[in-house]
Amino acid sequence: EDQVTQSPEALRLQEGESSSLNCSYTVSGLRGLFWYRQDPGKGPEFLFTLYSAGEEKEKERLKATLTKKESFLHITAPKPEDSATYLCAPQGGYNKLIFGAGTRLAVHP
Amino acid sequence: KAGVTQTPRYLIKTRGQQVTLSCSPISGHRSVSWYQQTPGQGLQFLFEYFSETQRNKGNFPGRFSGRQFSNSRSEMNVSTLELGDSALYLCASSLAGNGMEAFFGQGTRLTVV
Repeated sequence: EDQVTQSPEALRLQEGESSSLNCSYTVSGLRGLFWYRQDPGKGPEFLFTLYSAGEEKEKERLKATLTKKESFLHITAPKPEDSATYLCAPQGGYNKLIFGAGTRLAVHP
Repeated sequence: KAGVTQTPRYLIKTRGQQVTLSCSPISGHRSVSWYQQTPGQGLQFLFEYFSETQRNKGNFPGRFSGRQFSNSRSEMNVSTLELGDSALYLCASSLAGNGMEAFFGQGTRLTVV
């Protein structure tokens, strides 16, 4: 059965304090691993897609990496505007994203 | 370039009624998938359409159905509404699905009373 586990559930950081979010997955027929950011009351905002182990992608203060069983989202020197829920979603099957429960990130000035 | 548009943004319905939600994908995108988001279950996949054909389906009862039109716009329908159907319904648009980037709309907030 497909499973996705994100940790930690919640993370509180001081502005400038770097950290990493984890996504562990077991998905058959993996077609890609997606990361999204979601603000309250809004739809998820696309961040990255990773396709193969060893792949890395960066966007501003965010860097996503992928292994065969895990993905990490590294946040370097975060700012308060980075506060959001970060969702990991492996894709197994036609456009079927399997979402984790997310990590709620709060960055305080 | 316009993003994914979902209408209406908010809906209040009574138990037993039915509801239809609409999703207009990004221009040129042919794959539309639907998700239900609740505080308890998170984001769960409902179904995916590509070129008017349902290619994939999640584990939801038959009360949940959808369709896609020739212009790629999609609708989902929920019949005989239950209180537990209250959720944020999101659609995602992709060029062709199958590993390609998927972009979400703002969702329709459905409340069943």
